[in-house]
Amino acid sequence: EVQLVQSGAEVKKPGESLKISCKVSGYTFSAYWIAWVRQMPGKGLEWMGVIFPGDSDTRYSPSFEGQVTISVDKSIGTAYLQWNSLKSSDTAMYYCTRTPEYGDFDVHFDYWGQGTLVTVSS
Amino acid sequence: QSVLTQPPSASGTPGQTVTISCSGSSSNVGSYSVNWYQQVPGTAPKVVIFENTQRPSGVPDRFSGSKSGTSASLAIRGLQSEDEADYYCAAWDDSLKGWVFGGGTKVTAL
Repeated sequence: EVQLVQSGAEVKKPGESLKISCKVSGYTFSAYWIAWVRQMPGKGLEWMGVIFPGDSDTRYSPSFEGQVTISVDKSIGTAYLQWNSLKSSDTAMYYCTRTPEYGDFDVHFDYWGQGTLVTVSS
Repeated sequence: QSVLTQPPSASGTPGQTVTISCSGSSSNVGSYSVNWYQQVPGTAPKVVIFENTQRPSGVPDRFSGSKSGTSASLAIRGLQSEDEADYYCAAWDDSLKGWVFGGGTKVTAL
């Protein structure tokens, strides 16, 4: 059974760093891209970026380039989303999800993690 | 401001048909397939339609999708109370070189 299991909720102060995780199971980690999607409170879904675990090829939405870092640890089948200096505007639910391809292909996000709630407040 | 445009809400009585629209441009909906995600409050999104019209196994056949030009639609025929959720359209965008979502439509069964 395919599963994406995310790390638990976090409460941080502005300026602090954070790394949240997404551990996959039930399929070959290196064969699918992992994307991160943000959902701010009461708002819609926003694609942040995507990584291919096979070679760590990473692409970012222009809105998130330079604001976050996406990485993987192939040895433990885990993807990460990292901030160096959090802002209150980073308060949101973050989802990891997988897709077989990056690009103009007929693909979709077929499995999703349960979400990690990040709260940034002084 | 989302790249794809959806109405904020739609409603119907149980048994009715509810249709949600998704409007884009030539760089996204007009050129690439549209997927629809259902998000029940407090849970992760789940795909209900992919490649414009395809239903994943396990999704009831009362859900259907269509696309014409730069617009797409999701129809829920025979609306049930369990269909109450937020629905998002999504597509690849060639200008962004990434995926774009609609702002979401909250479906209510009256």
